[in-house]
Amino acid sequence: ETGVTQSPTHLIKTRGQQVTLRCSSQSGHNTVSWYQQALGQGPQFIFQYYREEENGRGNFPPRFSGLQFPNYSSELNVNALELDDSALYLCASSLDGAGGPREQFFGPGTRLTVL
Amino acid sequence: EDQVTQSPEALRLQEGESSSLNCSYTVSGLRGLFWYRQDPGKGPEFLFTLYSAGEEKEKERLKATLTKKESFLHITAPKPEDSATYLCAVTRGAAGNKLTFGGGTRVLVKP
Repeated sequence: ETGVTQSPTHLIKTRGQQVTLRCSSQSGHNTVSWYQQALGQGPQFIFQYYREEENGRGNFPPRFSGLQFPNYSSELNVNALELDDSALYLCASSLDGAGGPREQFFGPGTRLTVL
Repeated sequence: EDQVTQSPEALRLQEGESSSLNCSYTVSGLRGLFWYRQDPGKGPEFLFTLYSAGEEKEKERLKATLTKKESFLHITAPKPEDSATYLCAVTRGAAGNKLTFGGGTRVLVKP
């Protein structure tokens, strides 16, 4: 069973640029969630994709957008980068459907630094 | 708005010195409470899911319990490899099934 993978591991961008982060979900999972974790804080929910549709969004501006593909992998896009976007971006996958909330399994994260 | 508060923020233990971490929550219609372990620079590692008050789960030196207002993670006779940040999260299981996390407790176990 393959776990959640993310790419790239690290990324350095300058203010105003755009970035795309990628995530491959765990085998058999149909849901991907994205979180932002600032240093020393708990992860903050950005949004979730279930069967290629956005299925909930946190308090993040529209310049944060995403996609989920038919193989359930996902992308997080951030436009017009700001200094405060510097953080660890985490992708989590789960198998959702009838039966209530399931545990989410996290990837190793992408460390984004905005200069 | 859902809120999760973890205490203490940091905990220094001697090897073998048992202790408990607290996670208090305010959520309308809790559907699940999750505990994760996170090592520096890595993604959170799933530990436990608790669904209802009175439920308990154990794994090696860790035991998680749940009441209607809080959860505890008990670490019995910790070893240095138990050093990590422990995160608590809740979900209402509504659309989005988002996890709302606390700030975490950083645990350092000294030999």
